[in-house]
Amino acid sequence: GAGVSQSPSNKVTEKGKDVELRCDPISGHTALYWYRQSLGQGLEFLIYFQGNSAPDKSGLPSDRFSAERTGGSVSTLTIQRTQQEDSAVYLCASSRTSGGRVTGELFFGEGSRLTVL
Amino acid sequence: QQQVKQSPQSLIVQKGGISIINCAYENTAFDYFPWYQQFPGKGPALLIAIRPDVSEKKEGRFTISFNKSAKQFSLHIMDSQPGDSATYFCAARYSGGGADGLTFGKGTHLIIQP
Repeated sequence: GAGVSQSPSNKVTEKGKDVELRCDPISGHTALYWYRQSLGQGLEFLIYFQGNSAPDKSGLPSDRFSAERTGGSVSTLTIQRTQQEDSAVYLCASSRTSGGRVTGELFFGEGSRLTVL
Repeated sequence: QQQVKQSPQSLIVQKGGISIINCAYENTAFDYFPWYQQFPGKGPALLIAIRPDVSEKKEGRFTISFNKSAKQFSLHIMDSQPGDSATYFCAARYSGGGADGLTFGKGTHLIIQP
């Protein structure tokens, strides 16, 4: 498909386990974002990748969260030692950039719903 | 400085009525103002956007009104339909770029009653 693809769509895990969430952005989009959305809440910025630049990790809530982007394409968000408060929908978005600036149109995936029991 | 304040948090409108969602900002370096629409179980999607050099943009039943001096912008949905029921996010792009180049409001949960 031509859109942003995320997997798994749903993940149920036990407290203390590690989880990996995958994002496959739109081909050619150099900017990639991860957001977290708790039930009925807004979009909480987590991390941003832009081309080959060092990622902006300023939104990661704790050192249990990490992300990488391989080859400027697929990204993986890893949550170690999951806690119940990590339960949320994790959204990935990608965008074209112009002159290093995001265009303003982010294309979102449908999200990965994480439930920590 | 790079916050966008959105109101109301939730809104109920009768079918056929006008839905109005408001956003305000402080940073004059914002240079692009998109609105995103999110249906349950889906990711947000761009609905309509405006640049600060125009005061209004209309696409079908959706209109953005922009007041540069007041640093406010709003989304108007005319002849609101049950299918418009969704969460709406306003956003603003910071001209300085970077990760915080796009700042989102906290969202408005809109319900259109038939």
